[in-house]
Amino acid sequence: GQNIDQPTEMTATEGAIVQINCTYQTSGFNGLFWYQQHAGEAPTFLSYNVLDGLEEKGRFSSFLSRSKGYSYLLLKELQMKDSASYLCAALDSNYQLIWGAGTKLIIKP
Amino acid sequence: ETGVTQTPRHLVMGMTNKKSLKCEQHLGHNAMYWYKQSAKKPLELMFVYNFKEQTENNSVPSRFSPECPNSSHLFLHLHTLQPEDSALYLCASSQERTSGADEQFFGPGTRLTVL
Repeated sequence: GQNIDQPTEMTATEGAIVQINCTYQTSGFNGLFWYQQHAGEAPTFLSYNVLDGLEEKGRFSSFLSRSKGYSYLLLKELQMKDSASYLCAALDSNYQLIWGAGTKLIIKP
Repeated sequence: ETGVTQTPRHLVMGMTNKKSLKCEQHLGHNAMYWYKQSAKKPLELMFVYNFKEQTENNSVPSRFSPECPNSSHLFLHLHTLQPEDSALYLCASSQERTSGADEQFFGPGTRLTVL
């Protein structure tokens, strides 16, 4: 079956760095997305990786290893507004998005 | 209005009621989606429309009935729901369904409670 695993919850301190991991098992692979969802709001797109390696976008970076079925989202210089759920989703061979349950990130002062 | 809008934002209904959720996208996209989001569970794709044609129905019970009159509007008609249908219903759009690597733009969702 197809599956996405990511931690349920993580806690980090304002100003620090946090890495949210995601492992995936899909029938074929056409890329991996990360979305951010603040409580009571719409998920918003953060990144899309289809090739191995690290992509940096400001304070946020996303990494992909296709051979390991693994991705992570790296958040630097954490701010209180980064408190949110982070959703990992893999695109399978039929271009279906397989979603993880999300990682709730709690930022403490 | 910009992006993807959904109405109502909150809905409480009894099991015998009939109600409809509305979604509108102002992005010029051709694909629209309905998702169900329950606490601590992955997003569940319910229906997909591409150029107004339904392309996917992921074994959704018939008490949920989608309607897509044009590429900008999507409805989800609800009738005789069950308490386990209580969830956040999210609408999303993307450029096209077939080019699956397009990011999806989500609306804020309708929080549905079935009593």
